Formats: sequence, C-alpha cells, structure tokens
Amino acid sequence: EDQVTQSPEALRLQEGESSSLNCSYTVSGLRGLFWYRQDPGKGPEFLFTLYSAGEEKEKERLKATLTKKESFLHITAPKPEDSATYLCAVQARSSNTGKLIFGQGTTLQVKP
Amino acid sequence: GAVVSQHPSWVICKSGTSVKIECRSLDFQATTMFWYRQFPKQSLMLMATSNEGSKATYEQGVEKDKFLINHASLTLSTLTVTSAHPEDSSFYICSARGPSGRALGSYEQYFGPGTRLTVT
Repeated sequence: EDQVTQSPEALRLQEGESSSLNCSYTVSGLRGLFWYRQDPGKGPEFLFTLYSAGEEKEKERLKATLTKKESFLHITAPKPEDSATYLCAVQARSSNTGKLIFGQGTTLQVKP
Repeated sequence: GAVVSQHPSWVICKSGTSVKIECRSLDFQATTMFWYRQFPKQSLMLMATSNEGSKATYEQGVEKDKFLINHASLTLSTLTVTSAHPEDSSFYICSARGPSGRALGSYEQYFGPGTRLTVT
C-alpha cells in the first residue's frame, strides 16, 4: 500500500535556528514527490516537485532533497513568516489521474 | 501562473438545504480536478476526482449522491453538498491538475483557497 509518513508532527524553532522536516514514503513506482505549505484556513501552496533520488531544489530558505525512501525539507535560518504546516505528498506511476497521497503534515512554529 | 479560485470562501446553511461550491482554474486548462475535505488539524482527505466531460470517480466511503460533482468545462468544476447536515461542516478544498510539462510526466496539483462550510 502506498503510504507517506511525516515527522515530527510539530516543530518549534527560534528564529535563525535551522532544522529539517522528514517525509518517508513507500510507493509502487514514484512519479513525483511534492512539498506544499499550508497556512491556517487556506489551501496548500505548491513549493517543490522532486522526481528522482539525488535531486535537490531550493527556494529562498527552503531546500528539498530526495532519496529512494525519504525526502527532507531543510529550513535554513527560518523567520517567523515560515511558520505553517508543511505537507508532503507522493504520486504513483500507477495513477493515471495524478492522485496525490498526503502525509499528515509537520506544523512548524518559528518564534522571534 | 497556475491560479485556482474557489467560491464562496465561506458559507453557512441550514440543515436540509443544498450548497454549491465552484472551483475554477484561472490561467490554465485543467482536464482533471480534485475535491478534498479537511478536518481541523488533519491532513487532506481526497473525496473524488473530477474529469471534464465525464463522471467523477469517488473515493471509498464517499457518498456520490450526497456530494455531486460536475466538471462542465476545462476551467470549472462544482461540488454540490445535497441535503446538508451538521456533520458535513468542514473545510472543502479543490485542486486542479496542471498540464504535464515535465519529461517524466509528473502532474502537479494547484490548490484553491478552500471553502469553509458550516451547517446549522
């Protein structure tokens, strides 16, 4: 069964304190792994797509990496505005609709 | 680019009435749209996959007669909650599948801002 597990469930950081969020997955053939950011009361905002092991993508203070079993979202010198829930999702090659399988998310709080 | 809108952003209705939620892709055509439901402090739960010009595919446990989905055009899908009850109160989010612009054929989904439904 295709599955995504994110850890930790919640993370509190001081401003400037770098850390990483983990997304472990099992899927029968990975078409893509996606990272989204969701603010309270809003829809998820697309961040990154990763396709194959070894791939990395960066956007401002965020960097996403991918291995054959997991992905990391590294946050460098976070600011309070980075506080949000970060969602990881995978898309299986077997899906012809592009269905996403989501993890439970990591809620990040960055204190000034 | 890749903007998805939803209307209304919030709605309050009385038990027994029906509510329609619209999802539009504003700057791209979406042959496939998805409808999700999200409970407080939980992740997204896929309800159904909507394909333009054909019947929606519902996930196991989702009542298709209660949650009617119509994907009438390449930019519009609607979700109608029929005979709503308080337990249908939730945050409903749609997404639209972007064009397959990658060599490996990955389909990115772009999400709307969500609709908060409260049934009294």
